[in-house]
Amino acid sequence: AQSVSQHNHHVILSEAASLELGCNYSYGGTVNLFWYVQYPGQHLQLLLKYFSGDPLVKGIKGFEAEFIKSKFSFNLRKPSVQWSDTAEYFCAVMGSGNTGKLIFGQGTTLQVKP
Amino acid sequence: EAGVTQSPTHLIKTRGQQATLRCSPISGHTSVYWYQQALGLGLQFLLWYDEGEERNRGNFPPRFSGRQFPNYSSELNVNALELEDSALYLCASSFYPPTPADTQYFGPGTRLTVL
Repeated sequence: AQSVSQHNHHVILSEAASLELGCNYSYGGTVNLFWYVQYPGQHLQLLLKYFSGDPLVKGIKGFEAEFIKSKFSFNLRKPSVQWSDTAEYFCAVMGSGNTGKLIFGQGTTLQVKP
Repeated sequence: EAGVTQSPTHLIKTRGQQATLRCSPISGHTSVYWYQQALGLGLQFLLWYDEGEERNRGNFPPRFSGRQFPNYSSELNVNALELEDSALYLCASSFYPPTPADTQYFGPGTRLTVL
């Protein structure tokens, strides 16, 4: 069965620190990968997605993620976080085929201290 | 452009009752998805509807059901409520077919509390 694992459940950083959130998935076929973010009091929104091509994907607000097929990983990075990046981050995978089903990791809560 | 809307925002029910949650997709989207976000269990896929048909179903019992109307809005019904059904229920929408390039856009959710 497909699954997604996010290694860090709660991360605390100071402003300007670099961020890397881990995401590993288990699925043998072609995958489409997503990072969603949920800011306090707001709904889930897409940060970035990978479905083909360049494995380094750039998203909104300075975030990027790298798809490493050999490691089944899709880690999220940002070189310098801001207080406004405080949120919960979810990695998700959708396998090939028309299932419509996103499989989410457990989420990582990021707290950025000003 | 309006996003995905859900109603009600909060819903409080007692065990054994039925709950009905509603979702309106983004204009132009025909696919609607339902997810459950329960404490400690993360976001889990419940159902996918398109053109009034159920296209896929997650690992949930049959008392979770739904439907999609001709205007593409959708209802999620949960019968015989149990305490563990307490969760945030999220609705998402997308174009059909949901190709990898298409994104599922999420609504704000309905918080269901079962007492």
